[in-house]
Amino acid sequence: QAVVTQEPSLTVSPGGTVTLTCDSSTGAVTSGHYPYWFQQKPGQVPRKLIYDTTNKHSWTPARFSGSLLGGKAALTLSGAQPEDEAEYYCFLSYSGVRIFGGGTKLTFL
Amino acid sequence: DVQLVESGGGLAQPGGSLRLSCAASGFTFSDHQMDWVRQAPGKGLEWVGRIRDKAMSYSTDYGASVKGRFTISRDDSKKSLYLQMNSLKTEDTAVYYCASLRPPHDYWGQGTLVTVSS
Repeated sequence: QAVVTQEPSLTVSPGGTVTLTCDSSTGAVTSGHYPYWFQQKPGQVPRKLIYDTTNKHSWTPARFSGSLLGGKAALTLSGAQPEDEAEYYCFLSYSGVRIFGGGTKLTFL
Repeated sequence: DVQLVESGGGLAQPGGSLRLSCAASGFTFSDHQMDWVRQAPGKGLEWVGRIRDKAMSYSTDYGASVKGRFTISRDDSKKSLYLQMNSLKTEDTAVYYCASLRPPHDYWGQGTLVTVSS
């Protein structure tokens, strides 16, 4: 089966911008993979931030955005806040089968 | 309020079986496809599988690591989702979450811990 790869860890400064990416072993990530992005904080259940590449839920802070970038799905955080320190997971669909990436731990400098 | 409450977790022996349940309330369960997601202690999320709704013939899909060993079913009259786990392995040890992930929804239970150990 496919393998979905994310950066294991990234750091960001308060107010800074960071981009997390999501790569597929089968080739370029496209809108047909319906990329989702989840945020999980310690001791909490995951929460979906982005669905179908770019769409936000009503609870998604405006500083988060989703896109396709260089053949990967991407989650960009602009104007990072300390409460954004968390693990982030991408989630791709492959003709019905769904796969999580390994997660990116986002920490603050 | 939407609630998903998992139950049935506990200790199982390698090679054994366990059946998890998920009781739903606060939304029209029968209209929702439902997923099982697990998380091993200190590890990332892993998609276990999904069952679609009646309109999609209750079709199912499974992750590669559980395919052929786990079976997802549902009873819409009881607003309940199930995960039958057979031929359990130590690597199946995890918190198991039921969830409704199809947009615009994002419903998760609090999870139930399954420990596979001799």
